[in-house]
Amino acid sequence: EAGVVQSPRYKIIEKKQPVAFWCNPISGHNTLYWYLQNLGQGPELLIRYENEEAVDDSQLPKDRFSAERLKGVDSTLKIQPAELGDSAVYLCASSKDTRAGGYNEQFFGPGTRLTVL
Amino acid sequence: AQSVTQLGSHVSVSEGALVLLRCNYSSSVPPYLFWYVQYPNQGLQLLLKYTTGATLVKGINGFEAEFKKSETSFHLTKPSAHMSDAAEYFCAVIHTGGFKTIFGAGTRLFVKA
Repeated sequence: EAGVVQSPRYKIIEKKQPVAFWCNPISGHNTLYWYLQNLGQGPELLIRYENEEAVDDSQLPKDRFSAERLKGVDSTLKIQPAELGDSAVYLCASSKDTRAGGYNEQFFGPGTRLTVL
Repeated sequence: AQSVTQLGSHVSVSEGALVLLRCNYSSSVPPYLFWYVQYPNQGLQLLLKYTTGATLVKGINGFEAEFKKSETSFHLTKPSAHMSDAAEYFCAVIHTGGFKTIFGAGTRLFVKA
């Protein structure tokens, strides 16, 4: 079974440029998460989707960050314009449906390491 | 508010020695607790989890952790370290009925030959 796929793995851009990250979750996983991981820190949730609905985007800086999951499968996270402080690893994870409560294991992709110059 | 504290950003042990990584949490309701491992340039992988039942939880690669409610702790141990255990380890919590995972800052484990 294929794991969570993310691309690109690495991205270097200049500040004020736009950037987009792509995530393909594990087949059959309805829940998709985007996390931000700063150097030396644990992941912090940016947004959680249940199918195509963003059910928790309270930590997403909406002035410059946006995300979509139009068909409830793949997802894209965008930053426009990027700032120096956005340099970090962006992790995508997926799990089975969490709406019923309880816990379903999250499976993480390898992440995209963003460097903003 | 929930939080997770990992004592020691770096831990160094000799190969064959005991591994002990400390985690304390704060939660107003019974939590679900997790340990994840992250190897360089890879995503996080679940080592073990506590949800309900037995408080001593065994995971992959010989790791185990014990949920101690009175101490609000969930320390990770392994009797004998192997070179391949060198990685970053994250403790995490979800309170029951919630969906948001709160991660600690991580502990980097170094294993010396």
